[in-house]
Amino acid sequence: NAGVMQNPRHLVRRRGQEARLRCSPVKGHSHVYWYRQLPEEGLKFMVYLQKENIIDESGMPKERFSAEFPKEGPSILRIQQVVRGDSAAYFCASSPKRAVEETQYFGPGTRLLVL
Amino acid sequence: AQTVTQSQPEMSVQEAETVTLSCTYDTSESDYYLFWYKQPPSRQMILVIRQEAYKQQNATENRFSVNFQKAAKSFSLKISDSQLGDAAMYFCAYRSLSGGSNYKLTFGKGTLLTVNP
Repeated sequence: NAGVMQNPRHLVRRRGQEARLRCSPVKGHSHVYWYRQLPEEGLKFMVYLQKENIIDESGMPKERFSAEFPKEGPSILRIQQVVRGDSAAYFCASSPKRAVEETQYFGPGTRLLVL
Repeated sequence: AQTVTQSQPEMSVQEAETVTLSCTYDTSESDYYLFWYKQPPSRQMILVIRQEAYKQQNATENRFSVNFQKAAKSFSLKISDSQLGDAAMYFCAYRSLSGGSNYKLTFGKGTLLTVNP
């Protein structure tokens, strides 16, 4: 079984550009979570999505950041007008359902560097 | 809000020796999960071990075991017979089982483990 796939693995953007990060969950998983890891820090929760629904975006900055998980295709984390402070590793995780006993399986992450 | 503290930014161990990584957490809840994740140089996050708070028995996975002290809110990871492939950043994480946000993982800042040959 393929695990969580994220692409690109590395992304370089200049300030003001847009960054699009993609996450394909484990086949059959309908719950996706995005986390951000700043340098020298642990991962921090950003947003939780189910197919076509945003369940909790409390960890996501109010401006410039958006996320979606369409009925078909991968989940997308979009960062508009990137700034240097957005440089981080962005991890996606998935689970088959929300049930508390379910483990979240992580992808390899996308390293975003803003020049 | 829950917090997770890893007081050892870096640790080192000789190959084949045993090492213990510390983790403490703060919560007012009684039901939760605790995890240790490994992040090798590839940066992939790999689940090492999971402990349910309602279980008194400490979880074990091959060479990895935990010492879960619920009253002390302590959750240390012991790696026995350390191997070169164990070298990685190790993150302790907490997940509530109650309330509406029981899907969120709260991570510590990590402990960088070096294994010396």
